[in-house]
Amino acid sequence: DAGVTQSPTHLIKTRGQQVTLRCSPKSGHDTVSWYQQALGQGPQFIFQYYEEEERQRGNFPDRFSGHQFPNYSSELNVNALLLGDSALYLCASSRRGSSNSPLHFGNGTRLTVT
Amino acid sequence: AQKITQTQPGMFVQEKEAVTLDCTYDTSDQSYGLFWYKQPSSGEMIFLIYQGSYDEQNATEGRYSLNFQKARKSANLVISASQLGDSAMYFCAMREGWAGTASKLTFGTGTRLQVTL
Repeated sequence: DAGVTQSPTHLIKTRGQQVTLRCSPKSGHDTVSWYQQALGQGPQFIFQYYEEEERQRGNFPDRFSGHQFPNYSSELNVNALLLGDSALYLCASSRRGSSNSPLHFGNGTRLTVT
Repeated sequence: AQKITQTQPGMFVQEKEAVTLDCTYDTSDQSYGLFWYKQPSSGEMIFLIYQGSYDEQNATEGRYSLNFQKARKSANLVISASQLGDSAMYFCAMREGWAGTASKLTFGTGTRLQVTL
């Protein structure tokens, strides 16, 4: 039973560029959420997708956008990269209607913006 | 005010001893959930234990137990019989209200636990 998989594991980009991160949820899960974790901090909620739509959003600018595909996989896009976007980006999956079930996280994508 | 407060940036514990990691939270919701996650240096967030606001008994999962004191708004994690592999960052997190899904969690700043011989 595959868990949450994310790609790539590491990425180096230059300021102003755009980046796309990918996530496949755990089998049986239909909801994907994305978190940003800066060095030395706890993860911060970016947004959540289910039924291919953004359902909830945290305090992140419109430069952060996403998509969910019919197979429940998801992408996180960040435009006009800033140095402050350097962080570990975590994808998490869950199943709707199971608010007491834990989120299952992937290993993350470490993004470095130079 | 911070919603999740973890006041211990770092903790040391000897192998085979028990350790308590502190977590206090702030919410006006009656329905909420509290989670603890472990994050090794590899980066993956590993779920440890969950406590619902209406659960009358403290949650336990193997060597992990959650000391839930609702009136004090605290949800401390107790790890018994510490092992070297327990060395990692530990995060307390909260889901507020009933969202139908546990996706939106608010995390604390974490406690780094070091288990020594």
